[in-house]
Amino acid sequence: GNSVTQMEGPVTLSEEAFLTINCTYTATGYPSLFWYVQYPGEGLQLLLKATKADDKGSNKGFEATYRKETTSFHLEKGSVQVSDSAVYFCARYYGGSQGNLIFGKGTKLSVKP
Amino acid sequence: DAMVIQNPRYQVTQFGKPVTLSCSQTLNHNVMYWYQQKSSQAPKLLFHYYDKDFNNEADTPDNFQSRRPNTSFCFLDIRSPGLGDAAMYLCATSRRGDYNEQFFGPGTRLTVL
Repeated sequence: GNSVTQMEGPVTLSEEAFLTINCTYTATGYPSLFWYVQYPGEGLQLLLKATKADDKGSNKGFEATYRKETTSFHLEKGSVQVSDSAVYFCARYYGGSQGNLIFGKGTKLSVKP
Repeated sequence: DAMVIQNPRYQVTQFGKPVTLSCSQTLNHNVMYWYQQKSSQAPKLLFHYYDKDFNNEADTPDNFQSRRPNTSFCFLDIRSPGLGDAAMYLCATSRRGDYNEQFFGPGTRLTVL
């Protein structure tokens, strides 16, 4: 089938801690993969993406590597800040030419000072 | 700046009273999407337009309709809102072939009284 599975939250970290949010997917082939972030009361913003196997997406200190062997796209950041508190969604391309996405359930991150 | 705009940001309606949500884009993207997002859940795709072609998701209730009069605008009509339709409604756009990246508006929070 086609699905995206994220680690369940909420995740609470202290400032400057290391962050990992796990994401795995099922698919035939190698779909484009995305991490979106949603700050409180706002829409989703694209955080980073990877369009083929072994690509690494990075933005604002966040990184994720497209690993076909483990069908994973884990999100990492070496040192989180309070401003990173948000909900993070992993997503994969669904299929067809119209860019449909399948989202994971989201992981809420809270960073304490 | 090119962007996706949603109006209003907050909408209150009464049970059974029709309501229309608006989305406009300056990105000139040919695909526009409407998502429903309930609290602490992933966005759920309701339908999308590829140019003028309307694509309804199989489980989208008949109560939800959409119009796209031109490239820039897309409307979500809820004919008879129920209490269960209270949610955040997100509009997104994408350009065919651009690795399926979707650009989201800030959302409209719908309250049904």
